Amino acid sequence: EAGVTQFPSHSVIEKGQTVTLRCDPISGHDNLYWYRRVMGKEIKFLLHFVKESKQDESGMPNNRFLAERTGGTYSTLKVQPAELEDSGVYFCASSRRDNNSPLHFGNGTRLTVT
Amino acid sequence: AQRVTQPEKLLSVFKGAPVELKCNYSYSGSPELFWYVQYSRQRLQLLLRHISRESIKGFTADLNKGETSFHLKKPFAQEEDSAMYYCAPSGGYQKVTFGTGTKLQVIP
Repeated sequence: EAGVTQFPSHSVIEKGQTVTLRCDPISGHDNLYWYRRVMGKEIKFLLHFVKESKQDESGMPNNRFLAERTGGTYSTLKVQPAELEDSGVYFCASSRRDNNSPLHFGNGTRLTVT
Repeated sequence: AQRVTQPEKLLSVFKGAPVELKCNYSYSGSPELFWYVQYSRQRLQLLLRHISRESIKGFTADLNKGETSFHLKKPFAQEEDSAMYYCAPSGGYQKVTFGTGTKLQVIP
């Protein structure tokens, strides 16, 4: 099966600009997650979709971040306007709905805000 | 609050020595427990899960509910085991929380 794909792999933008990250999960995976690792820190949960619905968005840092998953397929994460502290690696993962199903990760998008 | 503690940021062992990567968790309910690994230049991937009671690449993990621990062990470390290891409980609605990770460095 094709894995989770993320685009772009790298993005360098200036403070104040907008960036949109995309994640294509494994086909048939209802669960889709966004995580972020800021330099030197742990992988932090951002939000979780079940199909097109937001199951949990408790990890979203503020209202500059907007995630969507229209149609329950791919997802986008938009940061607008970007700030310096948004720099980090953004990971997407997907899984099937049964409780023991592991996460399948994408390669991540490295975002640098200058 | 859900919390995962991996006390060692870096663990260096010699090839052939035993390895134990510690993980303690604080979680409501009865989470499923996973270990994920990220090798150099590869994506984060599942190493093993408690429910399967399996040994993967020689690694095992024992769940101790009394101590709320899920330590990862291997009797003889290999150079190819060098990687970042993350303990990850999965709780309600399959929300997975990651620990801070432990970098395992196996010295030849």
